Amino acid sequence: NAGVMQNPRHLVRRRGQEARLRCSPMKGHSHVYWYRQLPEEGLKFMVYLQKENIIDESGMPKERFSAEFPKEGPSILRIQQVVRGDSAAYFCASSPAFGAYEQYFGPGTRLTVT
Amino acid sequence: AQTVTQSQPEMSVQEAETVTLSCTYDTSESDYYLFWYKQPPSRQMILVIRQEAYKQQNATENRFSVNFQKAAKSFSLKISDSQLGDAAMYFCAYRSRPRDTGTYKYIFGTGTRLKVLA
Repeated sequence: NAGVMQNPRHLVRRRGQEARLRCSPMKGHSHVYWYRQLPEEGLKFMVYLQKENIIDESGMPKERFSAEFPKEGPSILRIQQVVRGDSAAYFCASSPAFGAYEQYFGPGTRLTVT
Repeated sequence: AQTVTQSQPEMSVQEAETVTLSCTYDTSESDYYLFWYKQPPSRQMILVIRQEAYKQQNATENRFSVNFQKAAKSFSLKISDSQLGDAAMYFCAYRSRPRDTGTYKYIFGTGTRLKVLA
């Protein structure tokens, strides 16, 4: 059973460009979480999605950031007009059901904004 | 709001010795879960151990055990017989359940970097 997959693993963008980060949850998992990790910090919650629904986006910046989890395909975290402060590792986690206490993390995408 | 505090940015331990990593948290809830995650240089987050708040018995997983003090809101991780492969960042995490959304987001501490000395 393949784990949570994220791609790309490394992404370099110039200021002002768009970044698209993809997350494929574990097979059978319909719940996805996105976290951001700044250097030397812990992971910070961004958004929680189920298929076709955003459940909790309380950790998402109000502007430039959006997330989706379509009926088919991976979950996408989109950052428009990236700035240097967006440079971080972005982790996706999935869980099998509402209420499941374990989240299984992907390997992360390291975004570098030049 | 819930918070998780790890006051030790870095710890060192001799191979085969025992080390304890500290974690405190703040919450007004009575029902929650606590976790320790390991993050090696590969950055993959690996679950080490979990504790249900309603259980008084401390969780153990092989060489890893916790000291859960609910009243003190303390959740320390003990690693026995430390191995070189234990070297990593260790994060304490709290699983919150805000009642208005029902979400189960994790709240992480800032981490403790563990070095294992040969």
